[in-house]
Amino acid sequence: DAGVIQSPRHEVTEMGQEVTLRCKPISGHNSLFWYRQTMMRGLELLIYFNNNVPIDDSGMPEDRFSAKMPNASFSTLKIQPSEPRDSAVYFCASKQGARTEAFFGQGTRLTVV
Amino acid sequence: QQQVKQSPQSLIVQKGGISIINCAYENTAFDYFPWYQQFPGKGPALLIAIRPDVSEKKEGRFTISFNKSAKQFSLHIMDSQPGDSATYFCAAMDATNKLIFGTGTLLAVQP
Repeated sequence: DAGVIQSPRHEVTEMGQEVTLRCKPISGHNSLFWYRQTMMRGLELLIYFNNNVPIDDSGMPEDRFSAKMPNASFSTLKIQPSEPRDSAVYFCASKQGARTEAFFGQGTRLTVV
Repeated sequence: QQQVKQSPQSLIVQKGGISIINCAYENTAFDYFPWYQQFPGKGPALLIAIRPDVSEKKEGRFTISFNKSAKQFSLHIMDSQPGDSATYFCAAMDATNKLIFGTGTLLAVQP
């Protein structure tokens, strides 16, 4: 298996633009997570899904952030409008079952100028 | 959001020494405690994990010690090697699969 696949790997955008990050989880995994990593705040859980259903989005910083999982093999994280403080590395992770390993993608480095 | 406290923030150890990283949690609903290792430019990867019904788990040079009553757990890296230099995260998961990470420890093992 190719692992968790995220795209793009790098994104540079101007303030105010819409940004869409994409994630393809490992086939057969039923939980998917979105994290944001910064030096100041570490690895923050933004939202996670079980069986394509959002369970907890309390980590989503503002209404500018939204996430969807239309099917078991695809998820998006959208930021609209983007701001410089959104600059970070965004990770997607997936897992199967309870008390099991979550596998991370390579991340998307987002820079908002 | 911080529910898992991790220390120290950074750690320098000599080759062959023991690296110790500590974590504490508050939510008693957590029932799975993994440690992740992250190298620059990569996503975190599972190193070792423990369940709360076990007080210690060892895999090679890596050992987790777990104190359920104190709500604390720690990672010990024996015979630390330069290749162990990375950022280490403790984490905690509950029955809904919510996975929360500590703030991370940057480990540097000097040759």
